[in-house]
Amino acid sequence: GAVVSQHPSRVICKSGTSVKIECRSLDFQATTMFWYRQFPKKSLMLMATSNEGSKATYEQGVEKDKFLINHASLTLSTLTVTSAHPEDSSFYICSAREGAQTQYFGPGTRLLVL
Amino acid sequence: SQELEQSPQSLIVQEGKNLTINCTSSKTLYGLYWYKQKYGEGLIFLMMLQKGGEEKSHEKITAKLDEKKQQSSLHITASQPSHAGIYLCGADSSGGSYIPTFGRGTSLIVHP
Repeated sequence: GAVVSQHPSRVICKSGTSVKIECRSLDFQATTMFWYRQFPKKSLMLMATSNEGSKATYEQGVEKDKFLINHASLTLSTLTVTSAHPEDSSFYICSAREGAQTQYFGPGTRLLVL
Repeated sequence: SQELEQSPQSLIVQEGKNLTINCTSSKTLYGLYWYKQKYGEGLIFLMMLQKGGEEKSHEKITAKLDEKKQQSSLHITASQPSHAGIYLCGADSSGGSYIPTFGRGTSLIVHP
């Protein structure tokens, strides 16, 4: 099946710094990519939807200036957590789909902000 | 917005037992996905069900979609410790926007 990778798999950073997470579709062109956040023992929460070449659409309650999303190519989307705080610590998962096909998930990135 | 309700919330079974997880939608299902997640890891796609009473199998896991009831069930036969994890159902919203929503997940523990 289709493969989606995320990098890094885990990151620890100091409060106030910015962290960039990459999401890549390895063997297909991802016209749409989704970014999710997962809290412990909770379901996935959709943060934003991004289409290649256009601005991301953020879900209600998600700060677009804090969670910067760039979908510059059909195989790469990045999520930058700016001025990270301990409450931003979480598990971030991206998914990608080509057209109306099944979405495939990345392995996730665990962020810990000290 | 579309809401998905999963039941049970958690499940503990003895190895070899069969089990069923249900996913009920508040609105019409345009596509229903089942995923498995190992604790702290990403999601593994199991199968996708389209409209019309479809049924699919993945190894010892079978999922059915009953569109009239807006419900899907995931059935595991002769469970094994390797089946342990969180099972999530997801669905595409109506209107073709393909923005998925998810249930809250069912945590499965299989005792050897």
